[in-house]
Amino acid sequence: DADVTQTPRNRITKTGKRIMLECSQTKGHDRMYWYRQDPGLGLRLIYYSFDVKDINKGEISDGYSVSRQAQAKFSLSLESAIPNQTALYFCATSDYRPRTSGSLGPPTDTQYFGPGTRLTVL
Amino acid sequence: GESVGLHLPTLSVQEGDNSIINCAYSNSASDYFIWYKQESGKGPQFIIDIRSNMDKRQGQRVTVLLNKTVKHLSLQIAATQPGDSAVYFCAEEIMYSGGGADGLTFGKGTHLIIQP
Repeated sequence: DADVTQTPRNRITKTGKRIMLECSQTKGHDRMYWYRQDPGLGLRLIYYSFDVKDINKGEISDGYSVSRQAQAKFSLSLESAIPNQTALYFCATSDYRPRTSGSLGPPTDTQYFGPGTRLTVL
Repeated sequence: GESVGLHLPTLSVQEGDNSIINCAYSNSASDYFIWYKQESGKGPQFIIDIRSNMDKRQGQRVTVLLNKTVKHLSLQIAATQPGDSAVYFCAEEIMYSGGGADGLTFGKGTHLIIQP
């Protein structure tokens, strides 16, 4: 989705290096997420942020940190990269819709993904 | 821990036929489900979602069915086309009325191959 951009798209680095992946969105969404995808596996949540003052750990946050610089920007850092962090990284934003009056269902929170960053740690 | 899984890693269908992709989930607290399509080299693309108060929802050429009794979700694609070739993921989320959520939990994906 062109409304969610990630930089860089590809990166090769060495063990021990500090790496920052950046995500920007023009969708105006408050919620942003970082996932990683490994071959043959689905996406796993690293960190998420519901607004600029709210940061939460996901399923696999160890070895990662994030910064929410503005509503539109959410960056992911690997403080000291290791080979098992080689993966495809995706940023996402979401459009939270609360339950409306008269609605019987739960709120919805549709997530929209960026194109991904392929990171290789040697 | 509980997780979302898929029955088949690869599904091959003839162009023009209907496709059914299945997904089993084990967290009975999940109340929001989404199907995503991921083409090679791209990020997941939203296809359709369904809330737990529904058992069926239709979009353009796609239908999602939810059976909460057996914790099963399926995606039906009508009249498959070559452009439907991709990996399809189901995802689940627990939604809290106050606006909180635990984030999406994804299944491992099914690779849909369209034969000419």
